[in-house]
Amino acid sequence: NAGVTQTPKFRVLKTGQSMTLLCAQDMNHEYMYWYRQDPGMGLRLIHYSVGEGTTAKGEVPDGYNVSRLKKQNFLLGLESAAPSQTSVYFCASSSGTLVADTQYFGPGTRLTVL
Amino acid sequence: AQSVAQPEDQVNVAEGNPLTVKCTYSVSGNPYLFWYVQYPNRGLQFLLKYITGDNLVKGSYGFEAEFNKSQTSFHLKKPSALVSDSALYFCAVGFSGGYNKLIFGAGTRLAVHP
Repeated sequence: NAGVTQTPKFRVLKTGQSMTLLCAQDMNHEYMYWYRQDPGMGLRLIHYSVGEGTTAKGEVPDGYNVSRLKKQNFLLGLESAAPSQTSVYFCASSSGTLVADTQYFGPGTRLTVL
Repeated sequence: AQSVAQPEDQVNVAEGNPLTVKCTYSVSGNPYLFWYVQYPNRGLQFLLKYITGDNLVKGSYGFEAEFNKSQTSFHLKKPSALVSDSALYFCAVGFSGGYNKLIFGAGTRLAVHP
């Protein structure tokens, strides 16, 4: 049981380049999330999904797109990377709709945009 | 508005001494409170959560947290700190906002010295 995995672990982009981050979970969770972590700011929600085929915006969605074609995968795309998107990106999943459900996190992707 | 505050950027403690990492919250309605730990270059790991019931919650690695409704606090504690406890600790509050939403504090870095 791998839990939540993320690909790649590290990436360096030039301004204007695009890339996709992949998140996979093997816990059969309905909910999946993408966060970004910046120093002194905790984690902020970018986008989330409440089930296969659904996505919605979080707190800081600008410049990102997501897709959830399969229940176990949640992709985060950057169409035209900017230096302000330099951050550590975390994917998370939770089993259902209860507020009390625990979110489980992947190991993160460190992205640098030059 | 829902919010979480971790008033200390860093906590220093000697190995073997008790440790406390502070967290205060502001929510409307019943709070659902979480503690996560992040070791260097790793993702967030769930430590414990308060949903309802006993104000003292026990979690992983010997950690516990005390929920205090009158002081709106959820401080993380451990009776005897280990050097291996050195990490970044995040408090989070969960509430229903169309999805299973978590608001994170900015994090507190715990340094345990031999």
